[in-house]
Amino acid sequence: EAQVTQNPRYLITVTGKKLTVTCSQNMNHEYMSWYRQDPGLGLRQIYYSMNVEVTDKGDVPEGYKVSRKEKRNFPLILESPSPNQTSLYFCASSPQAGNQPQHFGDGTRLSIL
Amino acid sequence: QKEVEQDPGPLSVPEGAIVSLNCTYSNSAFQYFMWYRQYSRKGPELLMYTYSSGNKEDGRFTAQVDKSSKYISLFIRDSQPSDSATYLCAILSGSARQLTFGSGTQLTVLP
Repeated sequence: EAQVTQNPRYLITVTGKKLTVTCSQNMNHEYMSWYRQDPGLGLRQIYYSMNVEVTDKGDVPEGYKVSRKEKRNFPLILESPSPNQTSLYFCASSPQAGNQPQHFGDGTRLSIL
Repeated sequence: QKEVEQDPGPLSVPEGAIVSLNCTYSNSAFQYFMWYRQYSRKGPELLMYTYSSGNKEDGRFTAQVDKSSKYISLFIRDSQPSDSATYLCAILSGSARQLTFGSGTQLTVLP
């Protein structure tokens, strides 16, 4: 089954404790992206990757890092999480960037205390 | 001003009603228009996708784009309780690598 898998689905942690949210897709997609979803603000893009070893900032990259060492994986790293990063996070992928719809994972709810 | 504006609702309609969901956008470079549906505790899933002005129909769903007015709509005919979800418009420019989302409209269809 074609899918985008995120882990963990839920996480409660404390300020400053480094964490990584993993994202994996099994569709051989070139393009992958991370979003955060907050009430009233919709989905905002954090980082995206056009292909292996190619990443770029989205609209709200501050406080986040990403890497793309393999085509299927695109982890999101919070080096020193803060409470304002409490949010619902989604990973998405598409065959290529541009005019192709993105497939989303089921989300990771992060609470930073 | 946000690049994409969407009425957040919530919107509550009786089963069988016609639902109209709308977004406006400001960037004339936007060329590709999508509607996603998001159920509670799930990721958005693509409903409709179009790149031209006019109407596109898929079953009970019709997407309408008016590029001259920078206005897009999603119509749901014969709405069902299973249509209860948040609907997100999403727009992409031809060369952009980023999808810009509206804030979403929460729809409830009452049996």
